[in-house]
Amino acid sequence: AQKVTQAQTEISVVEKEDVTLDCVYETRDTTYYLFWYKQPPSGELVFLIRRNSFDEQNEISGRYSWNFQKSTSSFNFTITASQVVDSAVYFCALSVYITGNQFYFGTGTSLTVIP
Amino acid sequence: ETGVTQTPRHLVMGMTNKKSLKCEQHLGHNAMYWYKQSAKKPLELMFVYSLEERVENNSVPSRFSPECPNSSHLFLHLHTLQPEDSALYLCASSQGSSGDRTDTQYFGPGTRLTVL
Repeated sequence: AQKVTQAQTEISVVEKEDVTLDCVYETRDTTYYLFWYKQPPSGELVFLIRRNSFDEQNEISGRYSWNFQKSTSSFNFTITASQVVDSAVYFCALSVYITGNQFYFGTGTSLTVIP
Repeated sequence: ETGVTQTPRHLVMGMTNKKSLKCEQHLGHNAMYWYKQSAKKPLELMFVYSLEERVENNSVPSRFSPECPNSSHLFLHLHTLQPEDSALYLCASSQGSSGDRTDTQYFGPGTRLTVL
C-alpha cells in the first residue's frame, strides 16, 4: 500500500528563519514520483516540484530546496530565509505507476511565517 | 484565462437542492480530476476522466455525478447532499491521455461548498 506521512501539522517561524518540512512515504514500487504542492489561503494547490524515484539528486530553486533520500524514504522540503508570503499549507504527494488510484497526498503542514 | 478555473468559488446549498460545479482547463490537457478536501483529512480523489472517458470512480456516493463533455470541461452535479459533504472541491488536470497518473496535476482554486 502507498502512504505519505507529514508528521508536522503546524509550524511557525519568524521571518528570515530557515524551515524544513518533513515528508516520509511508503511504497513497494520501484518506480514512483514525489511531489510538493503549496496551498495558500486562496485554496489553489500550486505545483512546486516533481521528482522520480531514480533521481536522488537534491534540487535547489531560489530559496527552496529538496532533499530526497531513498534510504529513509524521505523527501524533505527546506525554505531558506522564509518570508510572510511563504505562509501556506504544504502538501507532499506520492504517485506510482500502476492502475487505479495513483496519487497519494499527505495531510499537509501548515506553515505560518511571522513578520 | 489561464490554468485551471473553477466556478463558483463559494456555494451554499440546502440538502434538497440541485447544483453543479464547473471546471475548465486551458492547458490542453487530456485528463481531469475531482478531489474533495475536508478539514484535517488528506485530499480524496473522487473521479478521473481521461479523454472524456471516466476511468476511475472511488466509491463516491451517487449524489455526486460527474460529467465531462470534452477534454477542457468537467462538471460535478450535486443533489440531495448531506452536511458532511461540506468541503473544498478541487479540480485538477494533467497532460497524459493514457491515464498515467504520475503526470503532474495542476489544480484550480476550488469551490468551497457548504451544505446546510
